[in-house]
Amino acid sequence: DAMVIQNPRYQVTQFGKPVTLSCSQTLNHNVMYWYQQKSSQAPKLLFHYYDKDFNNEADTPDNFQSRRPNTSFCFLDIRSPGLGDAAMYLCATSRDPRLAGGQETQYFGPGTRLLVL
Amino acid sequence: AQRVTQPEKLLSVFKGAPVELKCNYSYSGSPELFWYVQYSRQRLQLLLRHISRESIKGFTADLNKGETSFHLKKPFAQEEDSAMYYCALGGRGSGNTGKLIFGQGTTLQVKP
Repeated sequence: DAMVIQNPRYQVTQFGKPVTLSCSQTLNHNVMYWYQQKSSQAPKLLFHYYDKDFNNEADTPDNFQSRRPNTSFCFLDIRSPGLGDAAMYLCATSRDPRLAGGQETQYFGPGTRLLVL
Repeated sequence: AQRVTQPEKLLSVFKGAPVELKCNYSYSGSPELFWYVQYSRQRLQLLLRHISRESIKGFTADLNKGETSFHLKKPFAQEEDSAMYYCALGGRGSGNTGKLIFGQGTTLQVKP
């Protein structure tokens, strides 16, 4: 089945130790999104890619970076995790909404739960 | 400002009872509204979108631009409907970025 895969499902890191979360997709979608979801809160968009074109949300901390080496893979790098970065991180993909003139359905991965010690 | 409000964190009903999960939005352009659902231990997935005007698993939602609402309804709740439901807002037309703004979510609990 075509899908969005996130690894690992659980990640434990130490305060200040860089960590990378990965996302891959077999849907061949050109748009990929990273969301942060803290406990009992709404998913919040961090950034997204149209192909290799990176789009950062204005309020995404500089501590969060992303890489997309090809269509299938996208990485979220947290350079110096703080206790406040503990959250579920969701990756999603969609077809390009700019081509359709309307919103495209987003397909989500299972998420990676990050714990910062 | 673009905003989605789901006023209820938890909605608890008995099996067979009607369900209405409320969603209100604030958006200056042409809105496109979605309901996403997350069942226990599963990923977030699309339930329905207003533009499709379809019923999925017995759920319907009508976009009311006058009241800026997109409430999710089902006439007879089933136990398998128990899940977290998120209302989400996007935009249509030129300049649409694909970005979704999610509400806080409502946990629906259907009791036997």
